[in-house]
Amino acid sequence: DTGVSQDPRHKITKRGQNVTFRCDPISEHNRLYWYRQTLGQGPEFLTYFQNEAQLEKSRLLSDRFSAERPKGSFSTLEIQRTEQGDSAMYLCASSIAGGIHEQYFGPGTRLTVT
Amino acid sequence: AQSVTQPDIHITVSEGASLELRCNYSYGATPYLFWYVQSPGQGLQLLLKYFSGDTLVQGIKGFEAEFKRSQSSFNLRKPSVHWSDAAEYFCAGLDDKIIFGKGTRLHILP
Repeated sequence: DTGVSQDPRHKITKRGQNVTFRCDPISEHNRLYWYRQTLGQGPEFLTYFQNEAQLEKSRLLSDRFSAERPKGSFSTLEIQRTEQGDSAMYLCASSIAGGIHEQYFGPGTRLTVT
Repeated sequence: AQSVTQPDIHITVSEGASLELRCNYSYGATPYLFWYVQSPGQGLQLLLKYFSGDTLVQGIKGFEAEFKRSQSSFNLRKPSVHWSDAAEYFCAGLDDKIIFGKGTRLHILP
C-alpha cells in the first residue's frame, strides 16, 4: 500500500507526558499537512511542510507542539506536557506542491490524555 | 472570515432512498470545494472536488455535487444510498488553506 501511513494508531498517555507521532506521506508528495480533529468537529489545520520547510503554522499550534520533517520525507509531531484538552485525532495528509492538488489523508493517530 | 457550514449534524435515510447533504461556504471569492467521507477508524477519502467549469461534479461511489454560486452552496447528492454509505461526510473549502465543515453523520435504515 502506498498511501499515507501514521504511527501509532492509538496512544494513551498521562497528563504531563510527552508524545510523538509519525507520518509517512505518499512518496512523490512534497507537501505534508497535520490536522487535529476533535469529536463532532471537522479537521482543523495545524501546520504544513513543503519538503523540509515548515511554511505555515496555525494559532492552534501552541508552543507545546512542534513538528519536523527533517529530510523532506516523513514527519513527526511532538506534544510536550500533554493536557487533557490535547485528546483528539491527529491526521496527516500529503499532496503534490504547485497549483491546487487534493490532499490524501492517513488513518490518523487517536490520542487520549488521562 | 472564511467558513464552511454543514447545517445538518445527523441525517437518516432508508437504504435505496435518495440523499442530499448540504454545504454552504463563505469566502471572498469562489474557493476550491471538496467533499470527503470518513468511515469509523479511517482517514478521510476524497469523494469529489470542484475547481471551475461544469458546476455538476461527478465523484466516486456514485456521488455527485452541484456548485451554485448564487446560493453559495455545494450540496452532495446520491440517487440511491447503500448501507455501506453510512459514515461522516465533510465539506471543505480551499483558498489559502483548507477549511472543513463540522461534518454530517449519515445513518442508513435497512
